[in-house]
Order: sequence, then C-alpha cells, then structure tokens
Amino acid sequence: AQRVTQPEKLLSVFKGAPVELKCNYSYSGSPELFWYVQYSRQRLQLLLRHISRESIKGFTADLNKGETSFHLKKPFAQEEDSAMYYCALAGGTYKYIFGTGTRLKVLA
Amino acid sequence: EADIYQTPRYLVIGTGKKITLECSQTMGHDKMYWYQQDPGMELHLIHYSYGVNSTEKGDLSSESTVSRIRTEHFPLTLESARPSHTSQYLCASSVVGKTEAFFGQGTRLTVV
Repeated sequence: AQRVTQPEKLLSVFKGAPVELKCNYSYSGSPELFWYVQYSRQRLQLLLRHISRESIKGFTADLNKGETSFHLKKPFAQEEDSAMYYCALAGGTYKYIFGTGTRLKVLA
Repeated sequence: EADIYQTPRYLVIGTGKKITLECSQTMGHDKMYWYQQDPGMELHLIHYSYGVNSTEKGDLSSESTVSRIRTEHFPLTLESARPSHTSQYLCASSVVGKTEAFFGQGTRLTVV
C-alpha cells in the first residue's frame, strides 16, 4: 500500500539544537518526495523536494531508497522554524500522499 | 497577483443545508485538487481535475461533488451537509508536468 509515515506528532527542541523530522514511505514505483511546511496562520507551502537536492532555510533532506526514508534535517534550530511539517509523496499520476504531520516547537 | 483563493475561510452551517466551497486560482494551472484534513490527521485527496470538464474522485470517498467549467474555478458542493462533514477543506493547484502544488488558505467547515 502507498503510505507516508511520520512517527512523531510533536517534536520539541531547544534553539541551536539539531533537528531531525522523520519520514518513511511505502510505494511500489519511484516516487518524488517532498516536505511541506505550514507556519502559524499561513497556508501550506513547499519547503523542499528530493530531486532538487537543495537546502532551504538551512533544511536538507536526503532520499534513502534502501530505507525508504526522507528525513528532514537542520543542524541548528531557530525559533522561526516552529511550524507543522508534512512529508508527501507524489506518484506516477502526481497525486500526493501526505503524512500526518509533525509539529516542531523550537524552545528559546 | 497570481494566487489561489478559497472562500469562505470559516463556515458554520446546519445539518441538511446545501453548501458550496469556492476555489479559484489565477496562476493558469491546469491541475486542481481538493483535500480533506481532520485535526491531527493527514491530508486526504477527495477530488482532482486535470483540466476543464475533467474531474476524478480521489483516494478518500466523499459525498461531495466538484465541477470544472473554467480553468481557474474548482468549486466543491455538498448537497446535504451532515456533522460528519465537519473538517478542513484545502484546495490546491499545480502545472501539468510539474509536481509542486500550491495551496489555498483552506475552509474550515463545521456542520451543527
């Protein structure tokens, strides 16, 4: 079955600490993986995608096909990173499958 | 400004009423989507469209219906609202051949 799993509903870290938001997926083909972010009172927006291999706002994510994972990482968390993060998968028909989301709280 | 708009943002309505949630985009995107999201849960695709006069049901069964008469407009209708329809509804659009989706602000629907 096609599925995206984000095991943590809430992740709290202190400012300056490293962050890792976990995402595992199940898909029979070769999907595209994404991270979307939703800041307080704002709409859902794309943070990064695996094919771009870029760093956005200090975040990176590497697709590990062997472990079927796409964890989101940042070496030093900032308070403005506090938000809801969704891992998503796009299959052949470009229909998205979203995870349940992880709320990141960065404490001062 | 190119954007995707949803109205209303919040709606409280009585059981049995007919409602239409509006979604319009000025980005010229061919593909449009409706997602349903319950609090703390994942987004579920309920409808999508690849262009005018094209509509398909998504992975989550929904009693709602959609139409795509114009490229920029993708309204969702509930003929008879029920408390089980209480949820957040998110509209999104994307360009054919590209996978990034742009989301609207969402409509939070409460059926009492």
